Order: sequence, then C-alpha cells, then structure tokens
Amino acid sequence: AQSVTQLGSHVSVSEGALVLLRCNYSSSVPPYLFWYVQYPNQGLQLLLKYTSAATLVKGINGFEAEFKKSETSFHLTKPSAHMSDAAEYFCAVRGNAGNNRKLIWGLGTSLAVNP
Amino acid sequence: DAGVIQSPRHEVTEMGQEVTLRCKPISGHNSLFWYRQTMMRGLELLIYFNNNVPIDDSGMPEDRFSAKMPNASFSTLKIQPSEPRDSAVYFCASSRETGGYGYTFGSGTRLTVV
Repeated sequence: AQSVTQLGSHVSVSEGALVLLRCNYSSSVPPYLFWYVQYPNQGLQLLLKYTSAATLVKGINGFEAEFKKSETSFHLTKPSAHMSDAAEYFCAVRGNAGNNRKLIWGLGTSLAVNP
Repeated sequence: DAGVIQSPRHEVTEMGQEVTLRCKPISGHNSLFWYRQTMMRGLELLIYFNNNVPIDDSGMPEDRFSAKMPNASFSTLKIQPSEPRDSAVYFCASSRETGGYGYTFGSGTRLTVV
C-alpha cells in the first residue's frame, strides 16, 4: 500500500532563509509525486509534480523538489523564504498503474515565515 | 479555463436540514473527487468518480451522505440530515484520467451546521 510521511507538522524559518519541507513515500510501483500548497481560506494549488522524467523538478514560486529513489524521498526546497510563502504544504503520491487514480496525502506541514 | 467551480462558498444551516453542495469540474477532466477538511482529521477523501461513475465511496462517513454525478459537468454532495459534526470545508477536485496529472481543486464550501 502506498503512504506518505511528512516530517514536521510545523516548520518555522526566517525571511530569506532556506525552506526545507520533508516528504517520504512508500510505493510498490514507480510513483507520481506531488506537492500542493494551501493558503489560508483557499483550496489546494499544485506546486510541482514528479512523473518519472527529470528527478529535479521545478515548480511555481521558486520551489523545487528532488526525487531520490534510494531514499524514497521527495523533499521540497526554496533557497530564500518570503513572507508570502506562509501556508500549509501537502505531499501526495499516486500510483501510475492500473485504475489507481487516488492521491494518497501526507498530513501537511504548516510553514511560518518570520520577519 | 474557469477552473473547478464550487457553490456555495459558505453555507450555514441548522441541524437536521438538508445541505447540497455543488461542483462543476474542468471540461475534459474524467475524474472528480470530493474531499472534506477539518482541523481534527485533515484532508479526507469522501468519494471519487471516473467518467461519471462512482469508483470508491469508502470514505463517505455514513448514509446521511450521498453524492451524484449525473453528467460530466456537474456533481453534487448531499447531507441529509445535517449534524454539527459535519461542519468542515468541503472541496471538489477534478483530474484527467491518464498520465501523471495532479488534481485541480475548487475553492471549497465552508459548511457550518448549528
């Protein structure tokens, strides 16, 4: 069965500092991996996705993530945090075989950015 | 592309009343998902449809909840009768059937049952 673990339910960084949000997955088939962001009182928005092409994936708002099969990880990074990055971030995995169309979600990481 | 459209944005109702939430997916998307989000339980998948057919409704909490998708451009989630513990934000999302596509979410309906 597939699963996603996001390490750290709350992460706090200073403005301008590196953002690192951790995601580990388990999947019996080559996975598709996603990061979503949810700003307060809004729906979830796709940040980036890995679909078995390049292992380093660039997304919107300066975020990127690297797929590491050996570590079963898909951590999200941004070199320099902005105040506007404060939000909830969700990692998700989806199998790419058969009729599996469901995303399996992590519990989310709340990112706070301090001035 | 207008995105996934949900209505209403906010709903306040009294316990025991029927509530109907509506969703219009993105044209061309074959899969539609209903989620519920609360502080306590996070993001929960209630049901999903593929080509208008319910595929997995194992997340529907109980018989008070029902969902329909009469055509490719419209879906409803109904709660009858509603209870205070149903208070949550309900999201609809749609996706293309094949490939590594993620979901596109609507803005959600914030339901408050008093």
